[in-house]
This record gives sequence, C-alpha cells and structure tokens, in this order.
Amino acid sequence: NAGVTQTPKFRVLKTGQSMTLLCAQDMNHEYMYWYRQDPGMGLRLIHYSVGEGTTAKGEVPDGYNVSRLKKQNFLLGLESAAPSQTSVYFCASSTQGSYNSPLHFGNGTRLTVT
Amino acid sequence: GENVEQHPSTLSVQEGDSAVIKCTYSDSASNYFPWYKQELGKGPQLIIDIRSNVGEKKDQRIAVTLNKTAKHFSLHITETQPEDSAVYFCAASKAAGNKLTFGGGTRVLVKP
Repeated sequence: NAGVTQTPKFRVLKTGQSMTLLCAQDMNHEYMYWYRQDPGMGLRLIHYSVGEGTTAKGEVPDGYNVSRLKKQNFLLGLESAAPSQTSVYFCASSTQGSYNSPLHFGNGTRLTVT
Repeated sequence: GENVEQHPSTLSVQEGDSAVIKCTYSDSASNYFPWYKQELGKGPQLIIDIRSNVGEKKDQRIAVTLNKTAKHFSLHITETQPEDSAVYFCAASKAAGNKLTFGGGTRVLVKP
C-alpha cells in the first residue's frame, strides 16, 4: 500500500518555465490537498479538492492551477514559474474534510526556480 | 482568517527530559487542534489531536492541553528519546470549510 505518492521528488526550473506536479493516492480518499512548505511559515494551503472533478482555492492560490480528473490523482500546475515559488510542495489526502479526518501526506517535491 | 503562532522554533533537550511546544490561535471559532510530526525527508504525520470539548488528551508519552479561554494549546513529550527528534507542527481548524492552518513548526533535537 503506497499511500500518497508524489512525482517528481526534485525539480529545477528556470523563471518562466512551466511544469506539473503529480499526486496519486491509493486509499480511495475523497479529499486531496496541495500545500507548500517554507522555512518558518509552516504549511500553507494552495488548492484543494473535495471530490473528483472539483477544485477550490486555498490560502495562497496565485500562480498555480490544479485539476482532479480522476479520484486518485491531483495535479498541480505552474504555468510560468517564479523564484518566489521555490519551495517544498506536499500533497495530502483524507477521507473527509481536514476537520474530521487526518491528512495523509506524500514525501514532498522540492522545487527550485532560478 | 485564522493565524497560528508556534514557539519555540527550535528546542534542544537531553534524552529523558521533557519537551513542551506552545501554540496560540486567533479565531475563537476554531475547535479542532491536531499536531503533526515531520521526520527528515518525509511528509508530516498526525500524532495526536484534541477538540474543544476536551481540555487534555494523552497517548503514551505525548499529551496535548487546550485552554480555549486563552486560545492556546500545547504539546508535551515526556521521557524524550532520540526518535522524537523531528519537526513538529500545530494546526487549527473549525467545522466550516476545509482549511487547516498550520503553525510555523518547531525543530526538536533530542541529545543522547
């Protein structure tokens, strides 16, 4: 049972380039989330999804887009990367909302934008 | 929106001693307070949580206390062991919405 798998683990981009981060979960969870982690700032919610075909904005959505075409996958896209998007990105999933059930996190993607 | 502050940012303790991490929150409507532990190179993992109808909760060597009047909650680790070395995050949430607001994290180092 793999849980939550993030691809890739590391990536270096140049300013203006685009990329997609992939998150896959095999626990049949309804809810999925994308967070970014920056030193001293904890984890901040970028976007989330309450089910297949749905997405919603979180705390810091600007510069990112997401899609949830299949229940098990949640994609995070950067259309035009900026140095401010250098961060560690975590995907998480849960059976119900974050108020009612624990979040299961992947191991993160470290992104550097030069 | 909710704001969660966490102190200290780093904590070094001798093996066997206790460690305490404190968090304050701003939104009086928050009523769910989980704690996550993040080991090096991994994602955070839930270790304990507390809801506002409970003042204290224990699970073996870890305990969490909540003071709703003062809007602060704390994580207590007793008899610390080297495997307790990690980054710990507190968080707060309320029933409406799906937003869990995290504190800035505390890096705990347990010295043998």
